[in-house]
Amino acid sequence: NAGVTQTPKFQVLKTGQSMTLQCAQDMNHEYMSWYRQDPGMGLRLIHYSVGAGITDQGEVPNGYNVSRSTTEDFPLRLLSAAPSQTSVYFCATQTGGRSQPQHFGDGTRLSIL
Amino acid sequence: RKEVEQDPGPFNVPEGATVAFNCTYSNSASQSFFWYRQDCRKEPKLLMSVYSSGNEDGRFTAQLNRASQYISLLIRDSKLSDSATYLCVVNKDKLVFGAGTILRVKS
Repeated sequence: NAGVTQTPKFQVLKTGQSMTLQCAQDMNHEYMSWYRQDPGMGLRLIHYSVGAGITDQGEVPNGYNVSRSTTEDFPLRLLSAAPSQTSVYFCATQTGGRSQPQHFGDGTRLSIL
Repeated sequence: RKEVEQDPGPFNVPEGATVAFNCTYSNSASQSFFWYRQDCRKEPKLLMSVYSSGNEDGRFTAQLNRASQYISLLIRDSKLSDSATYLCVVNKDKLVFGAGTILRVKS
């Protein structure tokens, strides 16, 4: 099983460019989420989805869009990249219960110049 | 005040030492608790859940104190391979991550 697959692993963008970070899972988990991790800070929730067709904002949603057309895929779109979005991005899945831990992809390192 | 607070460390300990980390949380309605481990430039991975009665997994012991709103992680007989960042995670409506405590085990 691949688990949670994120692509690309690394990306450099110029300010103002747009791009999509891909996240795919093969565990049939309903709950998927996107986090960013910055030095000295905990993982911060960007957007999450409790199932196909349902998405909601997390703690830091500005500048990002998501969609969930299938259970397997949860792409994260940067609309107009800014240097403040330089970060490591993690996608995670979780079985339905809120008390369940999350499974993370291995991350996308994004630099905005 | 951060929802989940951890001492960032680093904790530098020799092999074989016992080391303990604490984590405090602000939301008294939090329902579930976890410790994750994150190696340098890698994704977080679940180390163990934390149960109200305390729980042990080999050399690792986790405790929860709801009255004082903190959880702890005790590592006995530290190994070089235990060097990592340990993330405290608290769940009410969503998972909230602490910034992590760095552990360095040295020979």
